[in-house]
Amino acid sequence: DVKVTQSSRYLVKRTGEKVFLECVQDMDHENMFWYRQDPGLGLRLIYFSYDVKMKEKGDIPEGYSVSREKKERFSLILESASTNQTSMYLCASSLRQLRSYEQYFGPGTRLTVT
Amino acid sequence: QKEVEQNSGPLSVPEGAIASLNCTYSDRGSQSFFWYRQYSGKSPELIMFIYSNGDKEDGRFTAQLNKASQYVSLLIRDSQPSDSATYLCAVNDPRAAGNKLTFGGGTRVLVKP
Repeated sequence: DVKVTQSSRYLVKRTGEKVFLECVQDMDHENMFWYRQDPGLGLRLIYFSYDVKMKEKGDIPEGYSVSREKKERFSLILESASTNQTSMYLCASSLRQLRSYEQYFGPGTRLTVT
Repeated sequence: QKEVEQNSGPLSVPEGAIASLNCTYSDRGSQSFFWYRQYSGKSPELIMFIYSNGDKEDGRFTAQLNKASQYVSLLIRDSQPSDSATYLCAVNDPRAAGNKLTFGGGTRVLVKP
């Protein structure tokens, strides 16, 4: 079974803090993704990575950065947290193979910025 | 313009009936189609995928794909209260690196005993 884990289920941070969200997968997947999910807005892609040290912007990268130093680990960084970044953050991973697009999600981190 | 469209619901279905969920997509180059189930407060869970035109059955779930009409559907037979969840349709983005998927907004399904 694919296992994707995220560092925290719930997190409360103050405005202006630097926030690190970590994601680890144990299935040797090349691709990793960070989404946020908000009511009425669905799943929105923040960043993704298709290889170590490679990253691509998704649909809403502003205010976020990422780091992928090892294949199994993909970190999302909020440089200076703001209240509009309060959301559910979901990490996912997938193989980099032709027609192998299925993504497997971690349990999510519910972040509240006060 | 949203690239993957779903009716947000809620779709209310009596227990034991068939729930029918629809999804349309805009990119004709898309080749892979997925259905995820998401319970409230939980993360999405992959339940079906389909690559070829026609039907694909897995237990009580059937996915149907019509590439000419750019339409994919999910049927849930013998619906149970435990099927109450939001169902997300996802489609591969053929122009992006990294095997990227585009998700619809989801259809909320309520199965009433």
